[in-house]
Amino acid sequence: EPEVTQTPSHQVTQMGQEVILRCVPISNHLYFYWYRQILGQKVEFLVSFYNNEISEKSEIFDDQFSVERPDGSNFTLKIRSTKLEDSAMYFCASEREQGGTGELFFGEGSRLTVL
Amino acid sequence: RKEVEQDPGPFNVPEGATVAFNCTYSNSASQSFFWYRQDCRKEPKLLMSVYSSGNEDGRFTAQLNRASQYISLLIRDSKLSDSATYLCVVKGGSYIPTFGRGTSLIVHP
Repeated sequence: EPEVTQTPSHQVTQMGQEVILRCVPISNHLYFYWYRQILGQKVEFLVSFYNNEISEKSEIFDDQFSVERPDGSNFTLKIRSTKLEDSAMYFCASEREQGGTGELFFGEGSRLTVL
Repeated sequence: RKEVEQDPGPFNVPEGATVAFNCTYSNSASQSFFWYRQDCRKEPKLLMSVYSSGNEDGRFTAQLNRASQYISLLIRDSKLSDSATYLCVVKGGSYIPTFGRGTSLIVHP
């Protein structure tokens, strides 16, 4: 069964460092998302990506964040200068087509710990 | 008002019980509705979509009330393996899936 894969599974970093989280979406999917979930809190939308550009982003997705799909396969989330409050689980998700009854397929997540 | 609201629980029920979860959403233009299941420290996984006419999948029944902007999930004959957090997900006009906080279910022997 096709799946979304994410690396690393866990990253520990110092405050102020840059972090890149990687995702390989399901190959025939067209829409890609990053969500985050702070421990004990809800799953929050960060950004959606379609046709090699951002289609929507939330208030959380400020200038510290960026996404790209450099090689048509990997979908990355970069946090330029991490803060303590960036500690969370980051989920990548992909969707074959947006709208309707489209199911989001999630990766297993990347746990980011900022010290 | 939060976009998608759920009672966080936890709901603590014995095996075999019937339990119901509710969810309300604020955007009347919302188009699609889902229930996802999330096990502890795992990724969310689709449990079922919610259709206007209501739908059933085995022990699980989902209902949608557009007039009241309300979605429900009913679980019959609860199993220990049903213990998880149940996430209500709504797609609005932008088709971005928005998650509720989730309702925690604990099924005990």
